[in-house]
Amino acid sequence: DTEVTQTPKHLVMGMTNKKSLKCEQHMGHRAMYWYKQKAKKPPELMFVYSYEKLSINESVPSRFSPECPNSSLLNLHLHALQPEDSALYLCASSSRDRALGFHTDTQYFGPGTRLTVL
Amino acid sequence: QKEVEQDPGPLSVPEGAIVSLNCTYSNSAFQYFMWYRQYSRKGPELLMYTYSSGNKEDGRFTAQVDKSSKYISLFIRDSQPSDSATYLCATQGGSEKLVFGKGTKLTVNP
Repeated sequence: DTEVTQTPKHLVMGMTNKKSLKCEQHMGHRAMYWYKQKAKKPPELMFVYSYEKLSINESVPSRFSPECPNSSLLNLHLHALQPEDSALYLCASSSRDRALGFHTDTQYFGPGTRLTVL
Repeated sequence: QKEVEQDPGPLSVPEGAIVSLNCTYSNSAFQYFMWYRQYSRKGPELLMYTYSSGNKEDGRFTAQVDKSSKYISLFIRDSQPSDSATYLCATQGGSEKLVFGKGTKLTVNP
């Protein structure tokens, strides 16, 4: 089973709202990722968690706040977003086997949350 | 020069055709190569993963890597309308970051 689930599928929010995106995987993967994808563009990396610790933050604005409560869950908290933040937000996971290194780090993506900021 | 170059297309072929999708990369540190398929408004789905130069086959799909020319390809045999999607090549080497191509939009016409 290579399933990554994301909720909600769609989200519409105003610029003053606070909302959260959720991601879950039960593959025993120890690395989880958030990506942002605009139409007709490839995914852009936002954050990486490795063994529940934030390992990469790609200079993402502070209105996006990631959280990794445990090895299966990843959240993205949203606050005071702008209309240009409207996009497909993708979660991914990979095994991150420390013994084998990065070459086992094939990333599996979830279906995404389509976010619209009004 | 972008690290990974991929012709965005669009590419339109008749059903049953052989499709060839290609990417070039510039960084010799890239060691691992992936092809993802993304249907409209869905997340990318991993199709093929290769490490070394040569061919890897999975059903109608063949991934090819030529590290000497820094060229990666995906061939689809007997293409079907259900293969209509955007195909993203991705590479990785020495870090946890994937470097994506722009994606090629493929339409297979019945």
